[in-house]
Amino acid sequence: RKEVEQDPGPFNVPEGATVAFNCTYSNSASQSFFWYRQDCRKEPKLLMSVYSSGNEDGRFTAQLNRASQYISLLIRDSKLSDSATYLCVVGQDNFNKFYFGSGTKLNVKP
Amino acid sequence: DAGVIQSPRHEVTEMGQEVTLRCKPISGHDYLFWYRQTMMRGLELLIYFNNNVPIDDSGMPEDRFSAKMPNASFSTLKIQPSEPRDSAVYFCASSSRRLAGYRGDEQFFGPGTRLTVL
Repeated sequence: RKEVEQDPGPFNVPEGATVAFNCTYSNSASQSFFWYRQDCRKEPKLLMSVYSSGNEDGRFTAQLNRASQYISLLIRDSKLSDSATYLCVVGQDNFNKFYFGSGTKLNVKP
Repeated sequence: DAGVIQSPRHEVTEMGQEVTLRCKPISGHDYLFWYRQTMMRGLELLIYFNNNVPIDDSGMPEDRFSAKMPNASFSTLKIQPSEPRDSAVYFCASSSRRLAGYRGDEQFFGPGTRLTVL
C-alpha cells in the first residue's frame, strides 16, 4: 500500500472556478503535512504546510483530518497560472522523511 | 543564495557506464536528500544525510547505487553500472532546522538531473 494516495486527475477547470484536491495517507504516526507544487519539467516547491487547525494563504486553503487520515487543498478563483501538478506530502521520522503522493494535475483554462 | 545546485542538468549514457550526479545544498542547511522521479513511481526518497552522515538509505534501489557527502557543501549519487530502468529525474533537496525563525521542515529542491540510460 502506498504511503500517500492522490487522484492523478487531470482536473480541467475554467478560470475563476473553485477546485478541491484530497489525498489520504496510511501511517497514523505521520507528523507533518504539506502541499507542494510542481510545474512541468521543474522541481517541486512548497506551496503550504498543513496544520490540524486548517490554514489559509490567499486563495489557497489546506485542511488536515487526522482521524480520517486525509489532507485537502482548496483553490478559489483559479488562475491560469495555477496550472501545475500538486503533490501531497507527508513527513515521518522526526519530520525528515517525506513521502510524496503521485500528484494531481490541474489545468486551468481560459 | 543560489539555491540547491545540481550537475549535470542532463545526462545521456549507455547501459553499463558509471554515472555520477552532483549536488551542492543551500549554505547552512544540515539535511540533504536525494530523490528519484519517474512517471510510474512518482517521487521517491533514495537517501538522506544529516550533518554529512547518511541517516536512512532504505530507498536506495540496489547495490548499484551509492551516495556520499564528504563535506557540508557537496554530495554525489553514483550509479555503477547504469541500466535503462535507471532513467529518471534525480532531485537533490536540502533543509535546515538550525536557522532561527525559519520553517525548518521545508525542503528546497534543486532543478534536477534528467538521466537517460540507453
